[in-house]
Amino acid sequence: DTGVSQNPRHKITKRGQNVTFRCDPISEHNRLYWYRQTLGQGPEFLTYFQNEAQLEKSRLLSDRFSAERPKGSFSTLEIQRTEQGDSAMYLCASSPNGAVSEKLFFGSGTQLSVL
Amino acid sequence: GEDVEQSLFLSVREGDSSVINCTYTDSSSTYLYWYKQEPGAGLQLLTYIFSNMDMKQDQRLTVLLNKKDKHLSLRIADTQTGDSAIYFCAESRQAGTALIFGKGTTLSVSS
Repeated sequence: DTGVSQNPRHKITKRGQNVTFRCDPISEHNRLYWYRQTLGQGPEFLTYFQNEAQLEKSRLLSDRFSAERPKGSFSTLEIQRTEQGDSAMYLCASSPNGAVSEKLFFGSGTQLSVL
Repeated sequence: GEDVEQSLFLSVREGDSSVINCTYTDSSSTYLYWYKQEPGAGLQLLTYIFSNMDMKQDQRLTVLLNKKDKHLSLRIADTQTGDSAIYFCAESRQAGTALIFGKGTTLSVSS
């Protein structure tokens, strides 16, 4: 297993277009998280899943954002009608069971640029 | 509210010790973490400390926690050029699982 995989690595889109990112967590990791990171900032929590259930969503996750994890394995994050303010690095992380003491394994992220 | 504050930049010479500081506001934080981010890479967990501990040592890394002052520090002994990266302090609360990150401290190590 090579860790958390995210695709694509980079995405350039025009304002108003929809984009979708994919995250493949480490096998058998039940928890999957999405974070967003802008330049000069730390990662900001967006949402997380326990298996296929989406358990928490941040206030940052507007109604243009939707995340799914249909079979409890990979996850997708879709942004509809993108805005320039959506430009950021979108990070995915996974952990075995979500215990507070568990470490998160992060992917390398998808860099989104909205023109 | 919840907030994690870090100094933004630290410059040291190779072989010196580096000390990166962090303050947090949520007294219910259970675990406090240090993550490292190298250019173009995801975050990598370096170490963590449980809130009932004062100190944790792991090879070149020493974490000190002052729970009364809500102050956390990471000391890197014998800093190497490969330690140049952004270091993030993060906290987790008992009730939730989302990590709250600081803005990161950029460590620059010169030879």
